[in-house]
Amino acid sequence: EAGVAQSPRYKIIEKRQSVAFWCNPISGHATLYWYQQILGQGPKLLIQFQNNGVVDDSQLPKDRFSAERLKGVDSTLKIQPAKLEDSAVYLCASSLGQGGNQPQHFGDGTRLSIL
Amino acid sequence: AQSVAQPEDQVNVAEGNPLTVKCTYSVSGNPYLFWYVQYPNRGLQFLLKYITGDNLVKGSYGFEAEFNKSQTSFHLKKPSALVSDSALYFCAADYGGATNKLIFGTGTLLAVQP
Repeated sequence: EAGVAQSPRYKIIEKRQSVAFWCNPISGHATLYWYQQILGQGPKLLIQFQNNGVVDDSQLPKDRFSAERLKGVDSTLKIQPAKLEDSAVYLCASSLGQGGNQPQHFGDGTRLSIL
Repeated sequence: AQSVAQPEDQVNVAEGNPLTVKCTYSVSGNPYLFWYVQYPNRGLQFLLKYITGDNLVKGSYGFEAEFNKSQTSFHLKKPSALVSDSALYFCAADYGGATNKLIFGTGTLLAVQP
């Protein structure tokens, strides 16, 4: 089966600019996640979708970050305006369902550098 | 606060020797536990999970993990290390009450010398 697809792989922007990331999950996976992985740390969950509804966005900095999954398939994550501390790898993952025993499948991520 | 700890930033082992990567957790209830592996410039790959039952769980690529409830630990093991096992390993716990909300440790870099 095709894996989780993310684009772009790399992005360099200046602070205060905006940026958007795209994710296409594994076909049939109802649950989609966005994580932020700062260098030297483990991934941190930003937002979790079940189909096109938000399950948890408690750790999403909503003053600058937004995410949507309008048709319950693809998703976009946007940062506007970007800050230096947003430099990180942004990982998208998907799973069959929300059940805790469902392993998450990760994309290769987008590496964001803020100048 | 709920957390997952991986006390070793790096583990070095010679090829053919057994390896252990340590993980302890502080999460309420009986969380599901996971191990993932990350190769350079790639996303995380699922290795194995503990849900309930037998304390020794087997996973991909010959890895296994031992769950110890009294010590709140979930150590990753392999009887014989390969150079190709060299990668970054993450332990994770489901902190949302089986809702698949994962909290990750900081990762342990495994280096296997030929």
